[in-house]
Amino acid sequence: DTGVSQDPRHKITKRGQNVTFRCDPISEHNRLYWYRQTLGQGPEFLTYFQNEAQLEKSRLLSDRFSAERPKGSFSTLEIQRTEQGDSAMYLCASSLGFNNGETQYFGPGTRLLVL
Amino acid sequence: AQSVTQLGSHVSVSEGALVLLRCNYSSSVPPYLFWYVQYPNQGLQLLLKYTSAATLVKGINGFEAEFKKSETSFHLTKPSAHMSDAAEYFCAANYGGSQGNLIFGKGTKLSVKP
Repeated sequence: DTGVSQDPRHKITKRGQNVTFRCDPISEHNRLYWYRQTLGQGPEFLTYFQNEAQLEKSRLLSDRFSAERPKGSFSTLEIQRTEQGDSAMYLCASSLGFNNGETQYFGPGTRLLVL
Repeated sequence: AQSVTQLGSHVSVSEGALVLLRCNYSSSVPPYLFWYVQYPNQGLQLLLKYTSAATLVKGINGFEAEFKKSETSFHLTKPSAHMSDAAEYFCAANYGGSQGNLIFGKGTKLSVKP
């Protein structure tokens, strides 16, 4: 069990550019979540996969955001035409099971800075 | 709307003193409740969770939390603070439904003075 990993850990980009982040969940975990954390706030839910199916998207996830989880393994989060307001820490979490009480294990996050 | 409220964005204690971090949830139906800790530039690590099995929940690093339905609270305590406890602490709730996502409080930054 190597834990949840995320790549890259840091990303600096210019406004208007596209960025893509990757999350590798704990092996065999069927659920995968993306959260966004801004300075001084708790993480906010973005989207959720059960296996390869994207089951829920927050209203925070504008049309510029897209997430995939092909084959129910790793996931990618893409932000198109980045804006300065997208600057945040993007956290990925995974869990095993179908019970909402299951523990979500978090990765180290990808810190995005949009100039 | 379902929410989690953490009273006090910053708490400062002396080493060896009691740590008390407050958390209240908003629903009349008790959700699943979690406390996570976040060290600088790191992800979140689970301290403990409440899933209705017991009202007093023991976690890692000497932390525990008590679920009180009458007060809709899930406060986190540690009898004796250690310098290594300095971090940000987040209370989170899963209110159920189809998505299973966590709703987080805004966090409480704990400082420990020598």
